[in-house]
Amino acid sequence: NAGVTQTPKFRVLKTGQSMTLLCAQDMNHEYMYWYRQDPGMGLRLIHYSVGEGTTAKGEVPDGYNVSRLKKQNFLLGLESAAPSQTSVYFCASRYARVNEQYFGPGTRLTVT
Amino acid sequence: AQSVTQLDSQVPVFEEAPVELRCNYSSSVSVYLFWYVQYPNQGLQLLLKYLSGSTLVKGINGFEAEFNKSQTSFHLRKPSVHISDTAEYFCAVSPYGQNFVFGPGTRLSVLP
Repeated sequence: NAGVTQTPKFRVLKTGQSMTLLCAQDMNHEYMYWYRQDPGMGLRLIHYSVGEGTTAKGEVPDGYNVSRLKKQNFLLGLESAAPSQTSVYFCASRYARVNEQYFGPGTRLTVT
Repeated sequence: AQSVTQLDSQVPVFEEAPVELRCNYSSSVSVYLFWYVQYPNQGLQLLLKYLSGSTLVKGINGFEAEFNKSQTSFHLRKPSVHISDTAEYFCAVSPYGQNFVFGPGTRLSVLP
């Protein structure tokens, strides 16, 4: 099992550009999450999904969109990147009835 | 709403010394409690969790934590640290079945 994988690992964007981050899991987990990690602030939830075709906003959703067309994939989109979105992004997943999240290795995004 | 406080942003300790990383939380409902570890340039890995039962929880790599409901604390301890324990440690809470809330993290530096 690969677990939770994230693509790409690193990316540099210019302000106003768009991009999509891909998260994939092979554990048949129902729930998937996108977090951002900033120094001194821990992890903050951007969006999450409790099943294929469903998404919901987390703590800091502005400027991001998500889609979960397939159970194993959760996409995070930035339509018009801003320097404030420079961060490390983590994807996580879990079974609906087991309270333990599994994390991907992260994507380091820099917006100039 | 829930919140998590990790009182120490950085903890330096000498190798083979004991360490305690403090975590306090605020919640109006019962919660599950977690400690995650993040090694440099990696994702988060579960160290241990408290769901119910004994308030002393043992995890991987010799770590343990004690849940204190009256003090709303879940401090992490290890009797003798190794250089390889150098990492960032995150405390998290989850109201039953709901999303996680992470603390800001404590950076543990083990000195030779």
